[in-house]
Amino acid sequence: GAVVSQHPSRVICKSGTSVKIECRSLDFQATTMFWYRQFPKQSLMLMATSNEGSKATYEQGVEKDKFLINHASLTLSTLTVTSAHPEDSSFYICSAMPGTGAWTGELFFGEGSRLTVL
Amino acid sequence: EDQVTQSPEALRLQEGESSSLNCSYTVSGLRGLFWYRQDPGKGPEFLFTLYSAGEEKEKERLKATLTKKESFLHITAPKPEDSATYLCAGRHRNQFYFGTGTSLTVIP
Repeated sequence: GAVVSQHPSRVICKSGTSVKIECRSLDFQATTMFWYRQFPKQSLMLMATSNEGSKATYEQGVEKDKFLINHASLTLSTLTVTSAHPEDSSFYICSAMPGTGAWTGELFFGEGSRLTVL
Repeated sequence: EDQVTQSPEALRLQEGESSSLNCSYTVSGLRGLFWYRQDPGKGPEFLFTLYSAGEEKEKERLKATLTKKESFLHITAPKPEDSATYLCAGRHRNQFYFGTGTSLTVIP
């Protein structure tokens, strides 16, 4: 399958600071990337859909100003958690969908990022 | 309403005891039924995509099948290393509807 890399895998920050998480498609171009949040022992909760070169589409209830998403190129999307608070602590996972090639239409996930806000 | 339901929520098997996981879906215009394996603290790992009823795909001890209403993930003679949460998702256009997963534990 195709490879999606997510960084950092773990981050601890103080309340009020901002944290940036990167998601890269390593061997394909991704016109669409998705950001999910996962709570312990629960399924994936879609936060937003990111399309290269345009604004992200956020799901209902997700604060656009808190979770800034930028999809600046066909291989990179970033999620910035601004002014993080303890309730933002969670496991964040990105996924990407190849637009061309053998894996067109499939959905591949990054390794996830564990955010802890103190 | 488009949705995907997985059952059972949790499954414990003895090593070598075959079983099946179920994924029922009501996704209009389904453009693929996806199966993933997720280990604790990791992102989901892609297993299979099925596109049409009657389609089957296999990988080692896993076989996925698809009908017009549901998909099954059959696990033959499982080993402890097959322990994980298995997620399925239905795709409609560019939207993916995930089930809540089946947590599989294989006991040596």
